[in-house]
Amino acid sequence: DAGVTQSPTHLIKTRGQQVTLRCSPKSGHDTVSWYQQALGQGPQFIFQYYEEEERQRGNFPDRFSGHQFPNYSSELNVNALLLGDSALYLCASHRTGPYSNQPQHFGDGTRLSIL
Amino acid sequence: DQQVKQNSPSLSVQEGRISILNCDYTNSMFDYFLWYKKYPAEGPTFLISISSIKDKNEDGRFTVFLNKSAKHLSLHIVPSQPGDSAVYFCAASDRNDKIIFGKGTRLHILP
Repeated sequence: DAGVTQSPTHLIKTRGQQVTLRCSPKSGHDTVSWYQQALGQGPQFIFQYYEEEERQRGNFPDRFSGHQFPNYSSELNVNALLLGDSALYLCASHRTGPYSNQPQHFGDGTRLSIL
Repeated sequence: DQQVKQNSPSLSVQEGRISILNCDYTNSMFDYFLWYKKYPAEGPTFLISISSIKDKNEDGRFTVFLNKSAKHLSLHIVPSQPGDSAVYFCAASDRNDKIIFGKGTRLHILP
């Protein structure tokens, strides 16, 4: 039973470029969330996708956008990259349920470095 | 403003003893609390959670305590083992499933 998988593992870009990160959720999960983790910080919520729509969004600019596909996989796009976008980008998935909270399960992340 | 606070950046505990990691939160709308463990070069691994309707949840060596009036939760690990050395994140969410994380506590288990 595969867990959450993310690609690529590492990526190096320059300022102003655009990047796309990919995530496949854990089997049976239908909801994908993206987080940014800067060095020495906890993960910060970027947005969440459910039923191919953005359901919630954190305090991130419009340069950060995403997409969810019918198979529940998801992409995170970042335009006009800034040096401050260098971070570990984590994808998490869970199954949205009507009655109780479910823990989110994380992938190993994509390390993005901006030069 | 930090809604979830872990005030101890690091903690060292002797192998076999109890490790206690603490966490405070400010948002009274949080109704679900989680602890994650993170090793270098890996994503956070879910450890244990607790709903706001409970005050204690146990899973093997791990127990989470929730004090709603104090807006405080703690994770107890007993007995502590070398493999428990990692960064531990306290996290909280409201009904919308958005998770807010603390900055983490690095736990060192000493031989």
